[in-house]
Amino acid sequence: DADVTQTPRNRITKTGKRIMLECSQTKGHDRMYWYRQDPGLGLRLIYYSFDVKDINKGEISDGYSVSRQAQAKFSLSLESAIPNQTALYFCATSSDSSAYEQYFGPGTRLTVT
Amino acid sequence: DQQVKQNSPSLSVQEGRISILNCDYTNSMFDYFLWYKKYPAEGPTFLISISSIKDKNEDGRFTVFLNKSAKHLSLHIVPSQPGDSAVYFCAASAGNTDKLIFGTGTRLQVFP
Repeated sequence: DADVTQTPRNRITKTGKRIMLECSQTKGHDRMYWYRQDPGLGLRLIYYSFDVKDINKGEISDGYSVSRQAQAKFSLSLESAIPNQTALYFCATSSDSSAYEQYFGPGTRLTVT
Repeated sequence: DQQVKQNSPSLSVQEGRISILNCDYTNSMFDYFLWYKKYPAEGPTFLISISSIKDKNEDGRFTVFLNKSAKHLSLHIVPSQPGDSAVYFCAASAGNTDKLIFGTGTRLQVFP
């Protein structure tokens, strides 16, 4: 079984709709991250959390919110989706002792029409 | 402003030859560097890393070189294999931030 899972894997939604992307991990890591990947731009950090009570904005948090429901679960919400949020979204986790070696989920391809 | 740059979007190498992927950075506070590998429809996976106190780190066929004065690092794969065909991301971090800054990626194709 995969250590980091993301649901859904693909989603098409309309402008203005609210959408939630979910991430679960079985690695027992405290740290969790949300990234988006756009062609030519690499991966950019949206939000990150170092434990259940700790949530931090990344470099591109505008238009997004997150919820850390448990150590193993970290959700990303788009309150009112817009077309330029069309991207590939990745969740990742890492341990406190090896913070830079991140384990990524398989990604969610989101299209906003 | 892109702090971590991979100026070659793609690279094509014959099987058995050496692949050299390059990465430049601008932030002199970066003190830890990593390479991630990504196959289609999968998330990136950690490949190899190097601390700024070193100039070389080797793991099997993969070697990362760091030139701090030039703010440049490179990943050498030798010998290259068809299974190495993937997108490679360079990433960097400043120790006081615990966050990774990724480059834009280089697509490596290894042909027979």
